Amino acid sequence: DTGVSQNPRHKITKRGQNVTFRCDPISEHNRLYWYRQTLGQGPEFLTYFQNEAQLEKSRLLSDRFSAERPKGSFSTLEIQRTEQGDSAMYLCASSQERGTGGLLTSGNTIYFGEGSWLTVV
Amino acid sequence: SQQGEEDPQALSIQEGENATMNCSYKTSINNLQWYRQNSGRGLVHLILIRSNEREKHSGRLRVTLDTSKKSSSLLITASRAADTASYFCATDAKGNTPLVFGKGTRLSVIA
Repeated sequence: DTGVSQNPRHKITKRGQNVTFRCDPISEHNRLYWYRQTLGQGPEFLTYFQNEAQLEKSRLLSDRFSAERPKGSFSTLEIQRTEQGDSAMYLCASSQERGTGGLLTSGNTIYFGEGSWLTVV
Repeated sequence: SQQGEEDPQALSIQEGENATMNCSYKTSINNLQWYRQNSGRGLVHLILIRSNEREKHSGRLRVTLDTSKKSSSLLITASRAADTASYFCATDAKGNTPLVFGKGTRLSVIA
């Protein structure tokens, strides 16, 4: 078991360019989350998937952001037309949720990756 | 918006001393989790305490939960320089909400 893997770990891009981050969750984890963290702040929720279905998106996730999890395994987060305000660390996390239902979490540990740093210049 | 608020924002102690960090939250929860984050790194899960539990231990960590006061504390005993990090509480609120983090406590343990 290799934990949650994210790449690239660092990305510097010019304003207006598109960037894509990839997340490989822990094997067989059915839930995958994306968070964003800026310096001095805690992680802020962006979106999450249950298998391949994207079940919730935060208001932080503007139209320029899109996330996919096509086969219920890895996920990508794409930011189009990047702005300087997008500079942050993007964290991916996964968990294995038992049972069904609408609750986002059911008391299981959520494991985070090392994050992907984005700097928009 | 952030549900949890850690207190203090920053804490500096000598190696060997105990460190206590507090977390307050606003709404009813299913569980509360504590995470550690070294500078520039991802979050490492420390401990999860459910709403029907009052205290949990893991090694040098002790977590308490008071649902009537909507607060939790994390105690690190016999601190080490390697404990230097930011510590976050995160709540899993009842209902359809994601894990919500506070702003964290920055702990510095001086050797």
